[in-house]
Amino acid sequence: QSALTQPASVSGSPGESITISCTGTSNDVGGYEYVSWYQQHPGKAPKLMIHDVKSRPSEISSRFSGSKSGNTASLMISDLQAEDEADYYCSSKRGRDVVFGGGTKLTVL
Amino acid sequence: EVQLVQSGAEVKKPGESLKISCQGSGYIFSTYWIAWVRQMPGKGLEWMGIVHPGDSEIRYTTSFEGRVTFSADKSISTAYLQWSSLKASDTAVYYCARFSRGSSLDYWGQGTLVTVSS
Repeated sequence: QSALTQPASVSGSPGESITISCTGTSNDVGGYEYVSWYQQHPGKAPKLMIHDVKSRPSEISSRFSGSKSGNTASLMISDLQAEDEADYYCSSKRGRDVVFGGGTKLTVL
Repeated sequence: EVQLVQSGAEVKKPGESLKISCQGSGYIFSTYWIAWVRQMPGKGLEWMGIVHPGDSEIRYTTSFEGRVTFSADKSISTAYLQWSSLKASDTAVYYCARFSRGSSLDYWGQGTLVTVSS
């Protein structure tokens, strides 16, 4: 099964805002309000940043926000900080399965 | 505090069998599905499937059906992932995670590195 499509890399300077896109189909991203985003630092387990398209776990900074339009979901990170440099993955429900995006490497310049 | 603690790294030869574990604590283990996720070296996350510790219902994604076996023992709050005959291509980090509402994975284990090499 094909993964959701994410840009391979994005970059931004401290204090700036960036957006990472996640494109699927009407069978996954477009068909459910069940998109999640994960942050993964090198050698570490992924961490849930956004669930249900735009909901943040209580411990996650408000600098992270999610949205969706049609078959494309987006993760926005505002006021970029050095510690945001990591890989980011989206996921979506797809029928009885879940599918991940290919991942996006965020570089903080 | 919710925690998932996985068993340690393994080095195996092709054709050998293996069972790795994921023990939960800090919540009622039998009430949440446990998901298994593969991450091959330098690659992204891959969904393998889920197991429900309460009734042992299992859902494999197509790519992994027949290649791995999930199980769970709710009496010791532990889920398992096993292989009957490993291949070099099974070399990866395997994560367990708690499968929460909305198909999100809200707590993750630390990962188990499985290396298969002759």
